[in-house]
Amino acid sequence: QSVLTQPPSASGTPGQRVTISCSGSSSNIGTKTVNWYQQLPGTAPKLVIYSNNMRPSGVPDRFSASKSGTSASLAISGLRSEDEAEYYCAAWDDSLSGMVFGGGTKLTVL
Amino acid sequence: EVRLVESGGGLVQPGGSLRLSCGVSGFFFSDYYIDWVRRAPGKGLEWVARSRHKAKGYSTAYAASVKGRFSVSRDDSRNSVNLQMNSLKTEDSAMYYCARTDRTMHKDFDFWGQGTLVTVS
Repeated sequence: QSVLTQPPSASGTPGQRVTISCSGSSSNIGTKTVNWYQQLPGTAPKLVIYSNNMRPSGVPDRFSASKSGTSASLAISGLRSEDEAEYYCAAWDDSLSGMVFGGGTKLTVL
Repeated sequence: EVRLVESGGGLVQPGGSLRLSCGVSGFFFSDYYIDWVRRAPGKGLEWVARSRHKAKGYSTAYAASVKGRFSVSRDDSRNSVNLQMNSLKTEDSAMYYCARTDRTMHKDFDFWGQGTLVTVS
């Protein structure tokens, strides 16, 4: 059972907009910044969003994110086949004194 | 170019030990934390440990699942971080990644290595 809660799956067709939620608590998302990672099969994870809503260099602006209270969400617009991957949210947890991840959401592009 | 390269994975029996290493290049090592993150077969990502830099007293942090069994250390002169894993359990079997963290920018795990596979059996 992960500390941060994500839906196990999400899907969309090319060109659509999909969102992935991430629910936490006051000891993590409520007071700390949220990062999002993309992991393609057989590869290392890649940072796609940091500090709640910032995109690293090279990440397309189709990726956006927001945070409100103890929840966060990742949105991908103009969905493309190469976006098919697993997505994870993460944040520091003050109660656990460690980083915590969501369980991951497998995004399928239909 | 930022690079992180893990080594030291392999097959080990339950109760055994293994030492993973993470060598880095392409950035000023002393300015960054280095974390270890793992992914077990069929499971999601799990944070394992953190090595902070000199400005934070080289302090460390561990996930509850490995505390007391794993130990992380860094060598600024060699631009490397080691993860000593003792009393290994079958549930420690996973791909282990090292990743860079830039806390000044709130960028946790902004660059990752390719991973090294640990099998406890």
